Amino acid sequence: DGGITQSPKYLFRKEGQNVTLSCEQNLNHDAMYWYRQDPGQGLRLIYYSQIVNDFQKGDIAEGYSVSREKKESFPLTVTSAQKNPTAFYLCASSKRASSSGETQYFGPGTRLLVL
Amino acid sequence: GIQVEQSPPDLILQEGANSTLRCNFSDSVNNLQWFHQNPWGQLINLFYIPSGTKQNGRLSATTVATERYSLLYISSSQTTDSGVYFCAVSISNFGNEKLTFGTGTRLTIIP
Repeated sequence: DGGITQSPKYLFRKEGQNVTLSCEQNLNHDAMYWYRQDPGQGLRLIYYSQIVNDFQKGDIAEGYSVSREKKESFPLTVTSAQKNPTAFYLCASSKRASSSGETQYFGPGTRLLVL
Repeated sequence: GIQVEQSPPDLILQEGANSTLRCNFSDSVNNLQWFHQNPWGQLINLFYIPSGTKQNGRLSATTVATERYSLLYISSSQTTDSGVYFCAVSISNFGNEKLTFGTGTRLTIIP
């Protein structure tokens, strides 16, 4: 089956700890995205990548880091610098960049809770 | 940046009713998508519709790009239609690759 997988489904973070969220796609898409969703809110873009070994900051990149070493993988690290990390994190991909008119497809999400 | 406003914020309907959800945006767009987020958080693509009209079963959407709004119609609502509906747009600006999301319409269908 083609699709986007995210793991884990739930993640707990202690104060001062870095955690990494996994996102994998087998759709052969070039572009990948990370969004954050807070309760009752829309999605906000954290980082995006249009090609391997390249990525760009979105609207709320502070306290987060990413890498794109492989086309199918785009992990997100929530660092200790992110002071309010509790949220629902969604990964998405598209064949090309969204400004080219491409549809984005989403993974099932990871819920991050701070202990 | 571009502003995306959705209305109404909440909508409660009886099963079988019809509904219209609206998305207004503040700039010209070359990408507009409607999504349904189910109670488990999964976002499902409904339509890619930067202009024109599309239909898929009980759902249809119309975007009037010149007037900067889009409408999502749901006919004969079912309880499985419950969830949050998001409109997201991308503007026609080289180098701006992101989708900007509205804050959504929460639809609750009562049996």
